[in-house]
Amino acid sequence: NAGVTQTPKFQVLKTGQSMTLQCAQDMNHNSMYWYRQDPGMGLRLIYYSASEGTTDKGEVPNGYNVSRLNKREFSLRLESAAPSQTSVYFCASSLGTGDYGYTFGSGTRLTVV
Amino acid sequence: QKEVEQNSGPLSVPEGAIASLNCTYSDRGSQSFFWYRQYSGKSPELIMFIYSNGDKEDGRFTAQLNKASQYVSLLIRDSQPSDSATYLCAAPTRSASKIIFGSGTRLSIRP
Repeated sequence: NAGVTQTPKFQVLKTGQSMTLQCAQDMNHNSMYWYRQDPGMGLRLIYYSASEGTTDKGEVPNGYNVSRLNKREFSLRLESAAPSQTSVYFCASSLGTGDYGYTFGSGTRLTVV
Repeated sequence: QKEVEQNSGPLSVPEGAIASLNCTYSDRGSQSFFWYRQYSGKSPELIMFIYSNGDKEDGRFTAQLNKASQYVSLLIRDSQPSDSATYLCAAPTRSASKIIFGSGTRLSIRP
């Protein structure tokens, strides 16, 4: 089925470990996004890529890095995980920025102990 | 002031009634607005978008936009238990580079 695929779905990390969350879309969308969702905080934008070859910081970029590998793939890396990064992470894509609706992946539930 | 604000709820509505969800936004330049539905443990799903002042209807859902008062609402007619979810309002930033989400309103439809 067409859509946004995220891996892994669940992950437990120890403090200080690193990991990369993978995201791929097959809808030929130009823009891709990484959000985190915490109880009572809503969706907060970490990084986004308006088009292939560009990336920009969102509201909460500290502790994260991203790579827009190609038009389909946008990865999120935690270099040294901290308990404050325990959250549900969603990748999303859209045809363009701003005035286009987003399609979300199923999410990654990350726990840092 | 947050850019997009919603009452967190929970909003409890009897089955078959109309559920009314509201959202206010701060940027007068916003042109388009989105409503997403998120079931517990699932990802947000786009259910409605509206660009023009007035109403837009899609099945049991109606989105209403009032740019002068800077609010957008979502009405759900003939509410069903399956409508129980969190509803997120969203609007693009002034630069239109990304969308800002409200924190969501939790809706509960009681049988």
